[in-house]
Amino acid sequence: AQTVTQSQPEMSVQEAETVTLSCTYDTSESDYYLFWYKQPPSRQMILVIRQEAYKQQNATENRFSVNFQKAAKSFSLKISDSQLGDAAMYFCAYRSQETSYDKVIFGPGTSLSVIP
Amino acid sequence: EAEVAQSPRYKITEKSQAVAFWCDPISGHATLYWYRQILGQGPELLVQFQDESVVDDSQLPKDRFSAERLKGVDSTLKIQPAELGDSAMYLCASSVTGTGGPEQYFGPGTRLTVT
Repeated sequence: AQTVTQSQPEMSVQEAETVTLSCTYDTSESDYYLFWYKQPPSRQMILVIRQEAYKQQNATENRFSVNFQKAAKSFSLKISDSQLGDAAMYFCAYRSQETSYDKVIFGPGTSLSVIP
Repeated sequence: EAEVAQSPRYKITEKSQAVAFWCDPISGHATLYWYRQILGQGPELLVQFQDESVVDDSQLPKDRFSAERLKGVDSTLKIQPAELGDSAMYLCASSVTGTGGPEQYFGPGTRLTVT
């Protein structure tokens, strides 16, 4: 069975600085998707960025980018020029492409604080 | 922009009472998920529907929880009887299957407090 691990329960970053959140996963599959979701306090979860496993190029969305290391089964999120609005829980998620349905597994989350 | 709707947003109930949550996914989304999220933890899948069929309910406590999606559109999650340990956020999400995009869209959740 697939698992997703986020080893940093809490992180903090100074406003305008860069922070990297870590995620590792375990799978025997070769085709899958990886996601980072953001859940601000008392607000709903939204997608930050996604990565297809068959793509070697790391995904980028404005200030958010990933470092996808397929062999190492690592998928870290880098937030550049951190803003106060980036403060939230961040969840790494894995979606299988090799099951008969879209199975999604979430990590335990990293709570990010942004210091003014 | 289309959103996943959930109601109620907050629910307080006494132990042993019945409680129900409703979710309306984004139109056209065939896959619907119900998650339970304990504060400070990641979402845990309770049940997943593909259209009106359950494809995964392996983590659903079937002695007290039930879920249905009769016409393959909106869905109801029920707990009867509620227990103190059921206090949590209940999230609904939907997604398009196939090549329409793999990401999930989440509703605002229902925060349940069992007293």
